Amino acid sequence: DGGITQSPKYLFRKEGQNVTLSCEQNLNHDAMYWYRQDPGQGLRLIYYSQIVNDFQKGDIAEGYSVSREKKESFPLTVTSAQKNPTAFYLCASRTGDLFLSPLHFGNGTRLTVT
Amino acid sequence: GENVEQHPSTLSVQEGDSAVIKCTYSDSASNYFPWYKQELGKRPQLIIDIRSNVGEKKDQRIAVTLNKTAKHFSLHITETQPEDSAVYFCAAWDGNEKLTFGTGTRLTIIP
Repeated sequence: DGGITQSPKYLFRKEGQNVTLSCEQNLNHDAMYWYRQDPGQGLRLIYYSQIVNDFQKGDIAEGYSVSREKKESFPLTVTSAQKNPTAFYLCASRTGDLFLSPLHFGNGTRLTVT
Repeated sequence: GENVEQHPSTLSVQEGDSAVIKCTYSDSASNYFPWYKQELGKRPQLIIDIRSNVGEKKDQRIAVTLNKTAKHFSLHITETQPEDSAVYFCAAWDGNEKLTFGTGTRLTIIP
């Protein structure tokens, strides 16, 4: 989706290193989300942000951190405290103007930690 | 918090037949139920959604039904085609800015 850009597509890191995944959107959406996807487990919410300079923990926030300094950007840092960081990470956004508006996803970043 | 269960985890149907995927949710406050389709290595894409004030919604070969009393909703795909092969996810929105997903159904259409 040209509206939400995640980079890089593939990322490799050594165990013990922090790594930051980028998510940028040009849809003028207020709310942004990070999900983690593992085989057979669906999508699990890591963090979400409804407005700039504010964010909330999702269901599996331990070992992750985020920032929301700009409306367009919501980077996710996977810290060395995350026990099993290898996964497919999806960023999403939605407009806050419409009640119950759907999520739009980026193309994802596949992180491999060895 | 919300818990969404999805069945079956895998489903194979003959091309042209119908496919049905079922989900249940736990939070009676949930009021929005989207369905996403994810092809291999790609992002999930919204295919249909339903709000809690509606019992059924159709879009060409795809339909979704909602039973609020029983807290379950289903995806129906008729006249299936090879391009329908993908993983399908149901989800429930609890009204607190959190969308909880089911674990997915891998649908395979057999030519």
